[in-house]
Amino acid sequence: GENVEQHPSTLSVQEGDSAVIKCTYSDSASNYFPWYKQELGKGPQLIIDIRSNVGEKKDQRIAVTLNKTAKHFSLHITETQPEDSAVYFCAARYNNAGNMLTFGGGTRLMVKP
Amino acid sequence: GAVVSQHPSRVICKSGTSVKIECRSLDFQATTMFWYRQFPKQSLMLMATSNEGSKATYEQGVEKDKFLINHASLTLSTLTVTSAHPEDSSFYICSATPFEQHTQYFGPGTRLTVL
Repeated sequence: GENVEQHPSTLSVQEGDSAVIKCTYSDSASNYFPWYKQELGKGPQLIIDIRSNVGEKKDQRIAVTLNKTAKHFSLHITETQPEDSAVYFCAARYNNAGNMLTFGGGTRLMVKP
Repeated sequence: GAVVSQHPSRVICKSGTSVKIECRSLDFQATTMFWYRQFPKQSLMLMATSNEGSKATYEQGVEKDKFLINHASLTLSTLTVTSAHPEDSSFYICSATPFEQHTQYFGPGTRLTVL
């Protein structure tokens, strides 16, 4: 099955700086990679996703890059704001697993004002 | 669009009682619904996958007689924690996937506390 590793587990940045979270996956058959943001006491919220036929996707201050050869993908947040503080999860969908996702361990991002 | 609701958001019950949690896709029909459990400061742990009209598929180590899942329609799935015990206390989250999409949309979660 698929295995997803996420780093770092915690990340502290100053407001306005950039934040980068990295994930690696084990199975080259995985073809869909979403990122979720989870605030305390709430369910995860999809913030951006990327499919395996695309190398990069951007949505305002958030971008995701995918390197299929190296089997890793990253979340980039620019001009961070205190409201970006949350736990971020990456995930990978294995091609033959229906719509099941394998999640990374999560990154707690703290943006200091 | 793609809104998933859960009810209740929070429940406290006595040991030995059963608790039902509802998960609804409000503005789409869901091919599949998933149930997760999350412990503090940990990632999401998939408990089971359910498809409308068929039996749920449980992950290894999850007791199907303990966690009953009913997927009655394309917009509703329920999780019943039977004979709850304090160790069942956790944050339970459902998600749903619209037809012909890969994306899972999550509900807001249900905090279960068993006394």
